[in-house]
Amino acid sequence: DVKVTQSSRYLVKRTGEKVFLECVQDMDHENMFWYRQDPGLGLRLIYFSYDVKMKEKGDIPEGYSVSREKKERFSLILESASTNQTSMYLCATKPTGALKNEQFFGPGTRLTVL
Amino acid sequence: AQKVTQAQTEISVVEKEDVTLDCVYETRDTTYYLFWYKQPPSGELVFLIRRNSFDEQNEISGRYSWNFQKSTSSFNFTITASQVVDSAVYFCALSEADTGGFKTIFGAGTRLFVKA
Repeated sequence: DVKVTQSSRYLVKRTGEKVFLECVQDMDHENMFWYRQDPGLGLRLIYFSYDVKMKEKGDIPEGYSVSREKKERFSLILESASTNQTSMYLCATKPTGALKNEQFFGPGTRLTVL
Repeated sequence: AQKVTQAQTEISVVEKEDVTLDCVYETRDTTYYLFWYKQPPSGELVFLIRRNSFDEQNEISGRYSWNFQKSTSSFNFTITASQVVDSAVYFCALSEADTGGFKTIFGAGTRLFVKA
């Protein structure tokens, strides 16, 4: 069974802290994605990766970075957390053939920055 | 520019009612895929269906049906005889060949409440 796990369901951090969100998949999918979900805005793509050590900016990369050292793991990093980064963060994967294939999502991490 | 619009923010129905969730999309690409996902209260989005731009055949799966019309750029989703377990947020999404399918565009979502 396809599985995408995220390191925390809920996280509370302080402004200025460095925050790491981890995503691990067991499907051997090449493509991994980080989204943030905000009410009224749907899901917005932050970064994606189509291979180990490869990364591409999505639509809202500012204030974030990512790391993919192993195929199964994709990390989202908030270098200096700010209150406007309070959101639900969703990790997703897709197999090769990204156009036609659906995404598989993790359960999400609800991050609050105080 | 590419865009997905789900004009209904929230819908509330009573169990056994039929309900249609609207999705209108914009794209200049001729090759694309449309998707519907369900996000139950647990938070994890679950894939429901995909349709490619060359296949306008409607689809039915149990109580769920989808109507894809390129002429109106719409991909609507109908739940027949709704049940409480259908309560969730539903997202319509667009994946275009121009971006290799990597930049999926999601609508804002429609929150469906089904009351017993």
